[in-house]
Amino acid sequence: EAGVTQSPRYAVLQEGQAVSFWCDPISGHDTLYWYQQPRDQGPQLLVYFRDEAVIDNSQLPSDRFSAVRPKGTNSTLKIQSAKQGDTATYLCASSPLGQQDTQYFGPGTRLLVL
Amino acid sequence: GDSVTQTEGPVTVSESESLIINCTYSATSIAYPNLFWYVRYPGEGLQLLLKVITAGQKGSSRGFEATYNKETTSFHLQKASVQESDSAVYYCALGDTNAYKVIFGKGTHLHVLP
Repeated sequence: EAGVTQSPRYAVLQEGQAVSFWCDPISGHDTLYWYQQPRDQGPQLLVYFRDEAVIDNSQLPSDRFSAVRPKGTNSTLKIQSAKQGDTATYLCASSPLGQQDTQYFGPGTRLLVL
Repeated sequence: GDSVTQTEGPVTVSESESLIINCTYSATSIAYPNLFWYVRYPGEGLQLLLKVITAGQKGSSRGFEATYNKETTSFHLQKASVQESDSAVYYCALGDTNAYKVIFGKGTHLHVLP
């Protein structure tokens, strides 16, 4: 069984630039999560989906961040006008129906905003 | 609020020594929290090490053990004899199945000396 895949693995931006992160969850997993993990911190939930629906995006900075999962499979997280404070690793995770709190993580995308 | 506090690292031990990484939690909005230890080995993604969903029960994996203590709100990770291959970052986490929510601690870097 293939794991959660993410791309790109690394990104370096200047402040004000935009960037998109892509996630392919484990096949059949209905729930998909995006986390932000600053250096020396634990992962912090940004948004999660059940199928194509957003369940909770209350921690997503909505003025610059957006996330979609149009067909209930792959997902894209986008940052418009990145700031230095967005420097972090962005993790995608998925979980199967009925095991929502057992999450399978991708390798992450390390973002550096200069 | 809901939170997890764990031993601040880095923690350095020699091979074959015993290990304990402390974890305490606060679950003010979660009636029946599930408790987890996740691990990230060098160059790999975050992965579940062990999970316990019932207070008083013990979970174990790869020689590690943790007991869910509701009275002391603790979930300490222990191993009797560590190996160099256990060098990794360990995250204690608190989950709410009903809300699809997992809250992570900041992580503890473990270095095992040969």
